[in-house]
Amino acid sequence: ETGVTQTPRHLVMGMTNKKSLKCEQHLGHNAMYWYKQSAKKPLELMFVYNFKEQTENNSVPSRFSPECPNSSHLFLHLHTLQPEDSALYLCASSEGRGAEGDTQYFGPGTRLTVL
Amino acid sequence: AQSVTQLGSHVSVSEGALVLLRCNYSSSVPPYLFWYVQYPNQGLQLLLKYTSAATLVKGINGFEAEFKKSETSFHLTKPSAHMSDAAEYFCAVAGAGSYQLTFGKGTKLSVIP
Repeated sequence: ETGVTQTPRHLVMGMTNKKSLKCEQHLGHNAMYWYKQSAKKPLELMFVYNFKEQTENNSVPSRFSPECPNSSHLFLHLHTLQPEDSALYLCASSEGRGAEGDTQYFGPGTRLTVL
Repeated sequence: AQSVTQLGSHVSVSEGALVLLRCNYSSSVPPYLFWYVQYPNQGLQLLLKYTSAATLVKGINGFEAEFKKSETSFHLTKPSAHMSDAAEYFCAVAGAGSYQLTFGKGTKLSVIP
């Protein structure tokens, strides 16, 4: 595998379910990101991890819970979601270390539908 | 704080015609600017990046962008559109000392045969 991978690619869940999204980067990077992409809205940055430490949480509801066990893996745990949470969830990685103009590399995304 | 405005949520061009996608930014510090492309059902792919080394930046797939400080613009161009260029394009900005990006709302490019 190369670049940034995400699993699953598609997920349908009920509002009472618990599921997790997984992201893995094979680029040797130290920063990882979760974004939400909804129709007709700009990409919304959700969480940022730099060297496994969470450095950004953009007022995301607690029904979304990130986990970063190491610099290569990032999870997004989902529980009691709402239909408006249906979106494409994108993971990205970058060199981190606060590098200026750090380029982010994106995974293919997980298309989430909440019924 | 920085922000990005992409003029035109949807642009249509004929195959072989010039592609021009507009991006204006605001940033309190010299910015780093990016263009990404997203094909259907895929993630974002980096097209090009401005880092102050040169005002005209060449990217992949024949695209280029010119940084104009006086106009706070970073428009994306391609001399001749190809059907495979049909996708959504995002402009993004990062301030100096920051590794976080602020994205525009995107411009969907359609190429007419």
